Amino acid sequence: KNEVEQSPQNLTAQEGEFITINCSYSVGISALHWLQQHPGGGIVSLFMLSSGKKKHGRLIATINIQEKHSSLHITASHPRDSAVYICAVRSSGTGNQFYFGTGTSLTVIP
Amino acid sequence: DAGITQSPRHKVTETGTPVTLRCHQTENHRYMYWYRQDPGHGLRLIHYSYGVKDTDKGEVSDGYSVSRSKTEDFLLTLESATSSQTSVYFCAIRGATGANEKLFFGSGTQLSVL
Repeated sequence: KNEVEQSPQNLTAQEGEFITINCSYSVGISALHWLQQHPGGGIVSLFMLSSGKKKHGRLIATINIQEKHSSLHITASHPRDSAVYICAVRSSGTGNQFYFGTGTSLTVIP
Repeated sequence: DAGITQSPRHKVTETGTPVTLRCHQTENHRYMYWYRQDPGHGLRLIHYSYGVKDTDKGEVSDGYSVSRSKTEDFLLTLESATSSQTSVYFCAIRGATGANEKLFFGSGTQLSVL
């Protein structure tokens, strides 16, 4: 049973396209994080959301607490956006543990 | 970046040998985590710590132990390495709380058990 589901698993886009990655979760949460992992690289945090919407440059993240759903949007995609994007939720239950999606692998073609 | 360093970056070892991975932070954050990352799986929690000498098990803790004798260091030990423990290991820190909460990750350790 996966507490966090992401879609799509793989995504190929042309440079300049608008991209959406979805995350659904099944547990009560205190926070949701979007992470980025480049091939062979480390993991960096993009956003933390507990409600509403955040924007950073070409990246926009939204969350709907009632529907237990979050989306990550990339506007005007660029080849350097090619990476794995991971959704993680911090449970509001005992231990405040994090649960992670399996990631969405994005390839942006020039 | 929470001043987080993870060592070693790569390790090759033989089945049955003990292995220790180190996670070091410079900013006194309370929560530290050890995860493993395997193809087809999300990051899976091995153990975590919520303070000095305060640790708890995660979903894949069998064969692993941890210690946190100082705020800045969180050690992960494979007591007797097995081939199923070949994986990439990440240390993570939860920095700040509330609206400023952030997750910081170490660079990862590629461990191969032969």
